Amino acid sequence: GAVVSQHPSRVICKSGTSVKIECRSLDFQATTMFWYRQFPKQSLMLMATSNEGSKATYEQGVEKDKFLINHASLTLSTLTVTSAHPEDSSFYICSANTGGGQPQHFGDGTRLSIL
Amino acid sequence: GENVEQHPSTLSVQEGDSAVIKCTYSDSASNYFPWYKQELGKRPQLIIDIRSNVGEKKDQRIAVTLNKTAKHFSLHITETQPEDSAVYFCAATSSFRDNYGQNFVFGPGTRLSVLP
Repeated sequence: GAVVSQHPSRVICKSGTSVKIECRSLDFQATTMFWYRQFPKQSLMLMATSNEGSKATYEQGVEKDKFLINHASLTLSTLTVTSAHPEDSSFYICSANTGGGQPQHFGDGTRLSIL
Repeated sequence: GENVEQHPSTLSVQEGDSAVIKCTYSDSASNYFPWYKQELGKRPQLIIDIRSNVGEKKDQRIAVTLNKTAKHFSLHITETQPEDSAVYFCAATSSFRDNYGQNFVFGPGTRLSVLP
């Protein structure tokens, strides 16, 4: 149980392209989903918290116009990296849980490479 | 806000030996402490967790201990095997916090290498 699916797993595209990443909870309803960015050999850096039906809460230093988050249903959240540039290249990973104080279950992550 | 520190950053042990990773947290309101294992290029996977109403939890070769007074919790892996090699992250959160715009706070990670 508690499976989170994330797509695509790998994206390679040209600078200026917008990239959409999907995160789905397959067998549970996730009121809240979380988006992280992870640099090589570093910890998970929270970008934003996505709540179904409301605006996402962004962490300090994360541009909300650059990283658009939509959480349209209890099983789907999307992250769109708009006009991506090489410095946006990273490993993006989502997670979801069923409520406060419950384990977070992670997707497989998306490796984004901007040329 | 919550701050989680984790030590050591790297740890090498011989196969069969034990490994211990320690985390400290700052917010006394935190009451849930999970541990995640992340292999290279893969998702973090929950391996064990503990809540503040217990002091120790064990699952086969893995155990976690919690000292609320000192605000630290530790992961213990016994009889280590090469497949235990990975990065391990601790985290802390409050059941009252994490669905109100704030998340688990993760430690910086420990790279464990089990040498055959």
